[in-house]
Amino acid sequence: GEQVEQRPPHLSVREGDSAVITCTYTDPNSYYFFWYKQEPGASLQLLMKVFSSTEINEGQGFTVLLNKKDKRLSLNLTAAHPGDSAAYFCAVRTGNTGKLIFGLGTTLQVQP
Amino acid sequence: EAAVTQSPRNKVTVTGGNVTLSCRQTNSHNYMYWYRQDTGHGLRLIHYSYGAGNLQIGDVPDGYKATRTTQEDFFLLLELASPSQTSLYFCASSDAEGTEVFFGKGTRLTVV
Repeated sequence: GEQVEQRPPHLSVREGDSAVITCTYTDPNSYYFFWYKQEPGASLQLLMKVFSSTEINEGQGFTVLLNKKDKRLSLNLTAAHPGDSAAYFCAVRTGNTGKLIFGLGTTLQVQP
Repeated sequence: EAAVTQSPRNKVTVTGGNVTLSCRQTNSHNYMYWYRQDTGHGLRLIHYSYGAGNLQIGDVPDGYKATRTTQEDFFLLLELASPSQTSLYFCASSDAEGTEVFFGKGTRLTVV
């Protein structure tokens, strides 16, 4: 079945620095990809969704890149600020089964 | 407004007890999912369903049953709760294509 590997598990950066989180997946039938942010004690907040193509999507303060050839998905926070401190999860939707599989998460800490 | 409502939000039970976690979605979604979230393990898929009466096995199903009684309602059953099932449980719903996924606020279950 689908395996989703997320790196790094922990990340600490200074305010204004960039922060990059990467997920790799195994199932070539995967076709929808999601990034979620989770603050302590809260549910998951959708940051961005991307579809099955090589694609760059830009949100408020971050960029998501999907490379289907390499089966790689990345989230780049371009100028991190303390409010970005949270756990981040990638999720992959597989086509054949309808499963939505998550990476193990990255805990990001942004130091002032 | 899209909504996934979980109840109860918090539950304490004893080892060997019988627990039912409830989830209701008003999104007219086909898919519903139950996850557990534990430190170091991210979100792990327990069971999911693509419609009323359907049940699919997730990645960590042992000790859990689930039932999808209607399109709106998906229940997770722990018939002989164990301390290893102490966790934060999330329910989610998704449309058939997987283009949107919504999460509930979570149920914190403690088995003593």
